[in-house]
Order: sequence, then C-alpha cells, then structure tokens
Amino acid sequence: AQSVSQHNHHVILSEAASLELGCNYSYGGTVNLFWYVQYPGQHLQLLLKYFSGDPLVKGIKGFEAEFIKSKFSFNLRKPSVQWSDTAEYFCAVNAPNTNAGKSTFGDGTTLTVKP
Amino acid sequence: DAGVTQSPTHLIKTRGQQVTLRCSPISGHKSVSWYQQVLGQGPQFIFQYYEKEERGRGNFPDRFSARQFPNYSSELNVNALLLGDSALYLCASSLDSANYGYTFGSGTRLTVV
Repeated sequence: AQSVSQHNHHVILSEAASLELGCNYSYGGTVNLFWYVQYPGQHLQLLLKYFSGDPLVKGIKGFEAEFIKSKFSFNLRKPSVQWSDTAEYFCAVNAPNTNAGKSTFGDGTTLTVKP
Repeated sequence: DAGVTQSPTHLIKTRGQQVTLRCSPISGHKSVSWYQQVLGQGPQFIFQYYEKEERGRGNFPDRFSARQFPNYSSELNVNALLLGDSALYLCASSLDSANYGYTFGSGTRLTVV
C-alpha cells in the first residue's frame, strides 16, 4: 500500500523567504507524483506533476519540485514566497501500473506567509 | 467553461439517515473519483468511476456506494450515517481512467448529528 508523509504541518515564512516543503512516499514501484494547493476559500488545484523524465519539474506560480527516487522524495520549492502563497499544500502519489485511478494524499502542510 | 460542480454545498443529516451527493465533471472528462477529507487530514480515496464502471474502491465500508450516469455525472450514496462520516466530500474529474492530475470540485460539507 502506498503512503505519503508530509513532515511539516505548519510553516510560517516572511515574504521573499525561500520555501521547501518535504514529501516522502512509500511505494516500491513506478509512481506518478503531484502537488496540489488549496488557497483560502478555494478548491484544491493541481500545482505540478511528475510522471517521468527530468526529475526537476516546474509548475505554476514559480513553484518547482524535485523527484529523488533513491530517497522516495518529491519536495516542493519556491525561491521567494509571496503573501499570496498562503495556502495548504498537499503531496499525492499514484501507482499507474496497479491502481491508476487512486491517489494517496499526505495530510497537508499549511503555509502562512507574513507580509 | 464550467469546472467540476458538486451539490449540495452543505448538508446536515441525522445518524442513521441516508445521503446522496452529486457531481458533474468537466465537459469531456469521462472519469469521476470521490474522496473524503476529514478535518486536518488529506483526502482519502473512496471510488473511481470510468465509463459508468467502477474502476477502483478505497477502504470504505459497504455503506458507501456510487454510480456514474451516461452523461458522466456521478452520485455518491452513504447509508446508515455515522457521526464519523462528517467530512468534506470531494469529487475529482479526469479525462480518462489514468491519473494525469485531477480537477477537483469545491466539495460537499456533510455534518452528521
């Protein structure tokens, strides 16, 4: 069974600080990896995804994530956060070869950016 | 262009009652997945439907059931409601049975009293 661990439950940063949110998964087979974001009062939306190829993927709003297979990690990064990045961030994993339709989510990290 | 629409947005039910939640996917999307999100946790997979057939089921009791209609809309039914069923129920739409990343609806907030 797949599982996802997001180690940081709540992160508080000042504007212009750099961001890195941790995500580790447990699954030995091929995986697709996702980061979703939920801004206050809005629905979950896809931030970026990794299927194969270049392990460094870029998403919307300046976010990027790096897949490190040996560490089973898919950490989310942004060089300089803005107040508008305040949101909850969820990492998710999917096993395309066994149960393509199911995503397993972490419990989320709440990011608060102080102006 | 309409996104994923869910109805109702909020619902209050009594223990033991039954509830039906509805979802319309993005036009052209043929797969609908249902997730339960309890406060403080990430979404938990309940079902995936594609072309009106169940393609996946999560670790939920048989009180939970779903179906998909010819127009690809879907209903989630929960019987014999328990207090622990109180959660946000999310519908996720995708083009086909593979998961290239979901488009989520805003959810239905179910409160069981």
